[in-house]
Parts: sequence; structure tokens; C-alpha cells
Amino acid sequence: EAQVTQNPRYLITVTGKKLTVTCSQNMNHEYMSWYRQDPGLGLRQIYYSMNVEVTDKGDVPEGYKVSRKEKRNFPLILESPSPNQTSLYFCASSPSLGQGNQPQHFGDGTRLSIL
Amino acid sequence: AQKVTQAQTEISVVEKEDVTLDCVYETRDTTYYLFWYKQPPSGELVFLIRRNSFDEQNEISGRYSWNFQKSTSSFNFTITASQVVDSAVYFCALIMNRDDKIIFGKGTRLHILP
Repeated sequence: EAQVTQNPRYLITVTGKKLTVTCSQNMNHEYMSWYRQDPGLGLRQIYYSMNVEVTDKGDVPEGYKVSRKEKRNFPLILESPSPNQTSLYFCASSPSLGQGNQPQHFGDGTRLSIL
Repeated sequence: AQKVTQAQTEISVVEKEDVTLDCVYETRDTTYYLFWYKQPPSGELVFLIRRNSFDEQNEISGRYSWNFQKSTSSFNFTITASQVVDSAVYFCALIMNRDDKIIFGKGTRLHILP
């Protein structure tokens, strides 16, 4: 089954404790992306990657890191989480965007609470 | 600057009524793509439709229809004969061909009352 898998689905942690949210897709998609969803702000893009070893900042990259060492995986890293990073996070992938204008496939979301 | 505006934060209608969700976008690009996604209470994001900037044909899919008008930079979404299962948050999104960044609107929360 084609899917985007995020882990964990829920996490409560404390300020400053490094955490990683994993994202994996099994569709051989080139494009992957991370978003955060906050009430009244909709979805905002954090980082995106157009292929292996290629990553770019979205609209709200501060406080986050990503890596794309393999095509299927695109982890989101919070080196020193802070309470303002409490949010619902979505990972997404698509075959490509510029040429194929394909819709994105979204993961089920990860709800992070930073205390 | 690129922007997507969904002016309606929240809408409530009674079941079987028709409802239109507005989406207005801003971009200077000539090639771009517009999307609608649905987020039901369970939280996942469900793709509904994609439109490229060169295709202004309106589209109908069952009870759903979309009206794309470049002259007013709008891509509105109408649900005909609404049902309780249509209750969700709906997002409009814009992708520019040149940089592959995606801009979402803030979403419209739709309540369909039985």
C-alpha cells in the first residue's frame, strides 16, 4: 500500500531535549516536505527536499533541521525544542512538483507537545 | 509576494444546503497550480483537486464543483446538497512552478448541521 509513515504519532517532551520525527514513503517519490499546522495559521511549510541531498527552507524553518540521505526518508530534527514548537506536524511526498504538478500524499500527522 | 486567502474562517450550514468555500490567491507567476485538500475530524489530509493555471475549465465531481477564474484570481469550491460527512477543514493551496514551494491558505472549517 502506498503511504507516508510518520513516527511517533504523539510525543510529549520537555524543552531542550533533542527529538527526531521520522518520515518514510514507499512510493519512490522525489519530493518530500514537512509542515506544521497551528490553529488560525493553517499549514506552513518548514522544509522541503526535491531529491536526495537537496533540501530547502520553507516559510518557517527556524529551530528545525532535516536531512535527505535516502530517497525514502526525510526526518525532521528539533535540536533544542521549545514550547512554541508545540504543533501538529505533517510530512508529505509527491513524485515531483515542478513538472508533474502531482498532488502530495500526506502522512497521518505527529502531534508534538513541548513542555 | 505569493499568498492564499481563505477569508471564511468558519461556516455552518444545515444539511442539504449548498455551500461555497472561497479561495483567492496572489502570484505574479504565469505557471502555477492550485489545490484543494480536506481535513476531516480524524486529522488526515485528503487531496480533492488540482488545477494548473492554463486550465480554466470548471470541474464537477459528484456533489463537489470548482470554479477557477483567473480574472479574479479565485478558485472557489462548492458543495451541493451538503452532508454531515462533509464537515471538515478545507485548505486551498498554491504551488509556483518555478520554485516548488507550497503556500496553504489558513483553512475554512465547515460544519454541516443535521
